[in-house]
Amino acid sequence: QSALTQPPSASGSPGQSVTISCTGTSSDVGGYNYVSWYQQHPGKAPKLKIYDVSKRPSGVPDRFSGSKSGNTASLTVSGLQAEDEADYYCSSYAGGNNLVVFGGGTKLTVL
Amino acid sequence: EVQLVESGGGLVQPGRSLRVSCAASGFTFDDYTMHWVRQAPGKGLEWVSGISWNSGRIGYADSVKGRFTISRDNAKNSLYLQMNSLRAEDTALYYCAKGLPGYGSGWTAFDIWGQGTVVTVSS
Repeated sequence: QSALTQPPSASGSPGQSVTISCTGTSSDVGGYNYVSWYQQHPGKAPKLKIYDVSKRPSGVPDRFSGSKSGNTASLTVSGLQAEDEADYYCSSYAGGNNLVVFGGGTKLTVL
Repeated sequence: EVQLVESGGGLVQPGRSLRVSCAASGFTFDDYTMHWVRQAPGKGLEWVSGISWNSGRIGYADSVKGRFTISRDNAKNSLYLQMNSLRAEDTALYYCAKGLPGYGSGWTAFDIWGQGTVVTVSS
């Protein structure tokens, strides 16, 4: 049960787009369409932004989008805003004994 | 208002036990899968355990399997995590989280989170 791999940091200017990757294996990301993405501001609980690879919960703006290719999932944040600066985590179903695995997190900085 | 409120955290010595609880309100508790997710100080999120609506499906992270037990009381709208043989590396903020509807999404996507309860394992 290994953590998914995310880049430790990403950045972009207001209005630009940024993509964060999440790499796993065929036993987790590549094997199931159950990848989720969470946003966490300092001192706050995480918030769900994307589930089932590319679905947005009600209330999440369409600036947030998700995709997957092979063993790598991606979160794209378009039209960057200052409030998007936060830590982002991916997670995936990992089969086996009903396992769920998270990525190590990516700190997104809005320049 | 949909809400999850964790309680029961505290300072505990290595090798001892602790039970944390999560009180749910504002939604039909027994319709949803529930989970515990922890975050060590300055670190990332780690899924700990999950339990289906009827306790028929349960899962644990390898790091806690055999030491932690998840349970729920639907009559009391409450989720529990019994933690035994605690180690220093179990020190973290423990979040209670609600799964989305559905068998797959409910196990892997968490749409409501509490504010967490802090567990510190130290002598």
